[in-house]
Amino acid sequence: GAVVSQHPSRVICKSGTSVKIECRSLDFQATTMFWYRQFPKKSLMLMATSNEGSKATYEQGVEKDKFLINHASLTLSTLTVTSAHPEDSSFYICSAPDRHEEQFFGPGTRLTVL
Amino acid sequence: QQQVKQSPQSLIVQKGGISIINCAYENTAFDYFPWYQQFPGKGPALLIAIRPDVSEKKEGRFTISFNKSAKQFSLHIMDSQPGDSATYFCAARTGGYQKVTFGTGTKLQVIP
Repeated sequence: GAVVSQHPSRVICKSGTSVKIECRSLDFQATTMFWYRQFPKKSLMLMATSNEGSKATYEQGVEKDKFLINHASLTLSTLTVTSAHPEDSSFYICSAPDRHEEQFFGPGTRLTVL
Repeated sequence: QQQVKQSPQSLIVQKGGISIINCAYENTAFDYFPWYQQFPGKGPALLIAIRPDVSEKKEGRFTISFNKSAKQFSLHIMDSQPGDSATYFCAARTGGYQKVTFGTGTKLQVIP
């Protein structure tokens, strides 16, 4: 199957700083990518849909100014957590559908805000 | 609103036994129902998927049963192995490039 990578795999930052997470489709192009958030022992909750060449679509309750999404190319989407606080600590996962419309998930990024 | 309900929350099965996880959905616009397997600290991986025009799909030890009229579907893992111990999520989607709505997850433990 297709491969989606994320970088970094884990990051620890101080409260108030910004953190950027990258999501790449390695062997296919993706005009759409999705960003999910997962708390321990919980399900994945969709945060936003990243669209290449246009603004991201955010789910209800997700602060667009706090979670900045940029779909820079057909293989790269970035999620920037701005002014991070301890409550932003979570497991962030991206996904992308390939040309067969099957979605592939990245390995996730563990964010810890101190 | 929880659009995909999943049960049980956790499941312990003996090695060689059958693991059964059930899901129910509300949105009749869903047209694709994947199951994902997730190991701790990893992203979900597609296990098997089904479309509503099919009542059953089998791939190796994994089988999906689908009941369109009841809006329910289930995953059966035959001959469960300790390596199957993971969290399983049912999910649903309305179209090819649309977002995936996940169930609440089932933590499966297969004991020797």
